[in-house]
Amino acid sequence: DIRMTQSPSTLSASVGDTVTVTCRASQSIGTLLAWYQQKPGKAPNLLIYEASTLESGVPSRFSGTGSGTEFTLTISTLQPDDFATYYCQQYNSFWTFGQGTKVENK
Amino acid sequence: EVQLVESGGGLVQPGGSLRLSCAASGFSFSTYRMNWVRQAPGRGLEWISYISSGNHVLYSDSVKGRFTISRDNARNSLFLQMNSLRAEDTALYYCARRYGDSNSGRYFDLWGRGTLVTVSS
Repeated sequence: DIRMTQSPSTLSASVGDTVTVTCRASQSIGTLLAWYQQKPGKAPNLLIYEASTLESGVPSRFSGTGSGTEFTLTISTLQPDDFATYYCQQYNSFWTFGQGTKVENK
Repeated sequence: EVQLVESGGGLVQPGGSLRLSCAASGFSFSTYRMNWVRQAPGRGLEWISYISSGNHVLYSDSVKGRFTISRDNARNSLFLQMNSLRAEDTALYYCARRYGDSNSGRYFDLWGRGTLVTVSS
């Protein structure tokens, strides 16, 4: 099984900050990685797929990079609506998610 | 409107059974591959089952042999039959649509709002 490890688990930031979340895969997954945003009581929402492709309708302040085993999600100029939990997901072999990174208001 | 709506959750005793449903609308359900993903209270996301448009199925080790995924394309519906339920199956269960057929399209682009399953005596 491919394990996904996100860091940090919690990130405290302020509106206007640039934040970065890291996701590591236990083996190479190429670029078969997605990022999701989840707000309390809501379903996950797809942000990025193929490691760096922005889903339609997602603001351009979200960006993703990486390949192989190391990936990052960057949110530039954090907005109030961005306080949420973010999950990475590999889809190279079955599907596994990282444990999540909560972006909270400092 | 393109959406997925889950139902069928509830409180069940350990060892019991429950059948979840997911109603799809606004898209050609029969052509899409579908999944069930669950989220235990305060925890992360766990993929548990997949079904192709041709009824090929996959399960995670945590539910294999106890859960059965199925679909009824005529009713635009996805199902999850859950047997031999355990306390650790307590979670919010989401149905999720896989975007495409190719390997690069295996991510989930549409999710329902979930249905809560509580396994407790």
